[in-house]
Amino acid sequence: GAVVSQHPSRVICKSGTSVKIECRSLDFQATTMFWYRQFPKQSLMLMATSNEGSKATYEQGVEKDKFLINHASLTLSTLTVTSAHPEDSSFYICSARDRKGWTEAFFGQGTRLTVV
Amino acid sequence: GESVGLHLPTLSVQEGDNSIINCAYSNSASDYFIWYKQESGKGPQFIIDIRSNMDKRQGQRVTVLLNKTVKHLSLQIAATQPGDSAVYFCAENTGGGNKLTFGTGTQLKVEL
Repeated sequence: GAVVSQHPSRVICKSGTSVKIECRSLDFQATTMFWYRQFPKQSLMLMATSNEGSKATYEQGVEKDKFLINHASLTLSTLTVTSAHPEDSSFYICSARDRKGWTEAFFGQGTRLTVV
Repeated sequence: GESVGLHLPTLSVQEGDNSIINCAYSNSASDYFIWYKQESGKGPQFIIDIRSNMDKRQGQRVTVLLNKTVKHLSLQIAATQPGDSAVYFCAENTGGGNKLTFGTGTQLKVEL
């Protein structure tokens, strides 16, 4: 099956610094990539949708200047958490689809971000 | 806004029994649904999907039922095993087919 690789799996950073998370589709071209955030024992909350070569579409309430998304190629999207604070600590998960419509989304392994 | 939700936050079953996990959705325009399994600290794994023009689909040990009349989705797991212990999410296709909205999740616990 299709593989989405997400790195790093775990990161600890100091408050005020920025952290970049990478999401790669290894064996398919991802026309669309998605970034989710998940707090403990809660569901996945969609943060933004990114299409290759265009600006990401952010969900309501998600600060685009804080969560920078770049989808530079059909196999790579990055999420940068800028000026991180402890409340940004969470599990971030990316997913990718190779086309719209009736098709599953493939998920990365997730990144556990801890801001101290 | 419209959302996808689950009736039961936690479900405990005996090993070997069948499990039924339910999901209610409210967006009548949703045309595709997916069940995902998520183990602790990992990303969701695809289990099974169903299109809105179907009411039942079967996989290996799993069956998904869709009732569009009452906007209800269920996942049935036959002969539940310890390895089935995880959180299960239903997701619906929204946004013109370009994104998935997740339900609240059900923790399935399999007791030996």
